[in-house]
Amino acid sequence: EAGVAQSPRYKIIEKRQSVAFWCNPISGHATLYWYQQILGQGPKLLIQFQNNGVVDDSQLPKDRFSAERLKGVDSTLKIQPAKLEDSAVYLCASSLRRTPYNEQFFGPGTRLTVL
Amino acid sequence: QKEVEQNSGPLSVPEGAIASLNCTYSDRGSQSFFWYRQYSGKSPELIMSIYSNGDKEDGRFTAQLNKASQYVSLLIRDSQPSDSATYLCAVRGGAGGTSYGKLTFGQGTILTVHP
Repeated sequence: EAGVAQSPRYKIIEKRQSVAFWCNPISGHATLYWYQQILGQGPKLLIQFQNNGVVDDSQLPKDRFSAERLKGVDSTLKIQPAKLEDSAVYLCASSLRRTPYNEQFFGPGTRLTVL
Repeated sequence: QKEVEQNSGPLSVPEGAIASLNCTYSDRGSQSFFWYRQYSGKSPELIMSIYSNGDKEDGRFTAQLNKASQYVSLLIRDSQPSDSATYLCAVRGGAGGTSYGKLTFGQGTILTVHP
């Protein structure tokens, strides 16, 4: 079974530029998550999708971050414009269903550096 | 108070010893608990899940849960240098609403196993 796929793996941009990340979850997984992990910290949930609907985006900085999952499969996360403090690893994860007992599996992540 | 707290370490143990990693959480409604291992530069990898009070063993790993004390721990027996990594405790909300299924991570404990 293929794992969660993400691209690109690395991205370097200058502040005020825009960037987009792509994620393809494990086949059949209805729930998709985007996390931000700053160096030395645990992952922080940005947004959670159930199929193509947003379940929780309470920690998404909506003035600059946006995400979509139009067909209920793959997803994109966009930052526009980027700030220095957005430098982090952006992790995508998926789980079969949105229940407490479903395990989440992570993709390899995208390391973003904002200069 | 942080929702999920871990001692950031580093925790250093000799090869062959037992490593003990601890985690406390604040939400009494939490229903499931996970330990992820994260090697430097890699994404989190699920190693243990536990849902009910008591111990759960899997090979050299034992997870312990005490919901009354809001405490979960991970024991690694016969520690190996390859166990050197950051261990992330994650707690999943069980209440209805937007926290349902949401995974909240601690900041991680750095474990070093020296030969």
